[in-house]
Amino acid sequence: SSELTQDPAVSVALGQTVKITCQGDNLRIYYACWYQQKPGQAPLLVNCDGRSRPSGIPDRFSASRSGPTASLTITGAQAEDEADYYCNTRDRGDYQLFGGGTKVTVL
Amino acid sequence: EVQLVASGGNLVHPAGSLRLSCAASGFGFQPFFMAWVRQAPGKGLEWVATIHTDGSTAYYVDSVKGRFTISRDNARNSVFLQMNSLRAGDTAVYYCARVFGGNSFIDFWGPGTLVTVSP
Repeated sequence: SSELTQDPAVSVALGQTVKITCQGDNLRIYYACWYQQKPGQAPLLVNCDGRSRPSGIPDRFSASRSGPTASLTITGAQAEDEADYYCNTRDRGDYQLFGGGTKVTVL
Repeated sequence: EVQLVASGGNLVHPAGSLRLSCAASGFGFQPFFMAWVRQAPGKGLEWVATIHTDGSTAYYVDSVKGRFTISRDNARNSVFLQMNSLRAGDTAVYYCARVFGGNSFIDFWGPGTLVTVSP
């Protein structure tokens, strides 16, 4: 079955850059979206590759994709960026698929 | 302001049933596909089901096929998830979500409602 693989956790120093990656064969076909989730809250759409960011999302978040790998880059990470991040893409056209999530810690 | 308010979560025994509701407001409901996504305690997100704008077609993750039914009432701006034959593995927070661009990606999530399946 299809799957998306993410590193379980990454850390970044305050103000530095971090890239979160997501791998899966579906990404060769479909674009990826990224969601931020803070404890006790619903996920929030951050960016999809090839699309503009939703209103209110800072421009330090950018999504990209190449072959089977999608990435979310946070340029100049802030304390409030500490959260879980999930990648997502389509599966078999009409289904949705999520990665296992990456916990981002800002040091 | 876009809002998705899910309700109906509760404690239910294994093999029991539960119906979740989601009331949408702040946007034109009918043109959007709608979805349910769940998150087991301490775990990641799992897509559960998506329904077409007119309710004619629905898609389900394999683990709930034949047990869960997604439906919608466009006159009441609402989407539902009927869950039968519940199992312990269905314990999760269930999020109602709006799907953008036809059946492309989820662009908005509501706060979620907790379903606990336990003896």
